[in-house]
Formats: sequence, structure tokens, C-alpha cells
Amino acid sequence: NAGVTQTPKFQVLKTGQSMTLQCAQDMNHNSMYWYRQDPGMGLRLIYYSASEGTTDKGEVPNGYNVSRLNKREFSLRLESAAPSQTSVYFCASREHYEQYFGPGTRLTVT
Amino acid sequence: DQQVKQNSPSLSVQEGRISILNCDYTNSMFDYFLWYKKYPAEGPTFLISISSIKDKNEDGRFTVFLNKSAKHLSLHIVPSQPGDSAVYFCAALFQGAQKLVFGQGTRLTINP
Repeated sequence: NAGVTQTPKFQVLKTGQSMTLQCAQDMNHNSMYWYRQDPGMGLRLIYYSASEGTTDKGEVPNGYNVSRLNKREFSLRLESAAPSQTSVYFCASREHYEQYFGPGTRLTVT
Repeated sequence: DQQVKQNSPSLSVQEGRISILNCDYTNSMFDYFLWYKKYPAEGPTFLISISSIKDKNEDGRFTVFLNKSAKHLSLHIVPSQPGDSAVYFCAALFQGAQKLVFGQGTRLTINP
């Protein structure tokens, strides 16, 4: 039981490049989330998916798109990366009240 | 508009003493509160939670207190251990809602 896994762990992009962050969970949870963590800002919700086939915007969705591929997988795409998207990205899945987080992807945009 | 606030960015405590981490919220409709712990280069992990119908929940060395009239919750760690050094986030949830609202985090350092 791996919990929530994320790939890649690290990524460096140039401004304007695109990439997709992958997330998978093996706990059969319906809800999945993407957050970014920046110093002094806590965890800010980018997008979430309450169930397979649905996605909704969170607090900071601009510049991102998501896909809930199936119940297990929820990907986050940056179409044209900007330096302001330099951050640590966490995926999470939820059971009842608790969310379970992946180990994170550290993204740097130069 | 920060609905959940942790006003202390950092806290330093001696090993064996009590650590008290504080969290304030503005929305009285929150009905469930959680604390998460985060080590460097890892994702946050769930630590302890409390429902709004309670004022205290205890789990081993960790106790969370909720004061609804003051819109304040606190996490007590007794006794503090070096492995408790981490960033602690409080979070709140509306009943039936999908989204947690997180505070900014407090970095706790336990000194030997």
C-alpha cells in the first residue's frame, strides 16, 4: 500500500515550457487535490476533484489545468510555465475528514 | 482573506517541556479542525483532529483544545521531543465541504 505517489520529485523548467505532474493513490478515495506550498503562505488549493469525472477550481487555479484520469489518478498540467509557479506541489486524497498527502514535487521555473 | 491564521511563524522549546501551537479562525461555520505535521522534503501527515462539538481531544502526547467562543484552537505537545521538530499546520473544514482551509504553518524547533 503505497498511499499517494507523485512524479517527478524534482523538475526544472524554462519559462514557457509545459509539463504534467502525475499523482496516483491506491486507497480507493473518491476525492483528490492539488496544492502548492510557498514560504509563509501555507498550503493553497489549486484544483480538486470530488469524484471521478469532476474537477473544480480552488484558491489559485490560474495557469493550471487538471485531469481526473480515473479514480486512482489526478494530474496537474502547466501549459506555459512562469517563474511565479516555482513552488512545491502536493497531491492529496481524502477519506472522511482527513487528507493524505504525497511526498511532493519541487518545481523551479527559470 | 485568511480564514485560518497561525500568527507565530516559529516556536522554539526545550526538550521535555510543553509546546503550545496556536491557531485562530474567523468563520464560525467551520465544524471540524485538524493538525498536520510536515518534515522537510516530505508531504504533510495527519496528526490529530477535533470536532466542533468537543472542546478537547487527546492522543498520547498530543492534545488539541478548541475554544469556539474565541474561535481559537491550540495543540499541546507534552513532553516535547527532538523528533517533534517540524512545521505544523492547522486546517479547518465546513460540514459537507470538500476543501480544507489551511493556516500558514508554525515551525517548531525542539532544543536538546
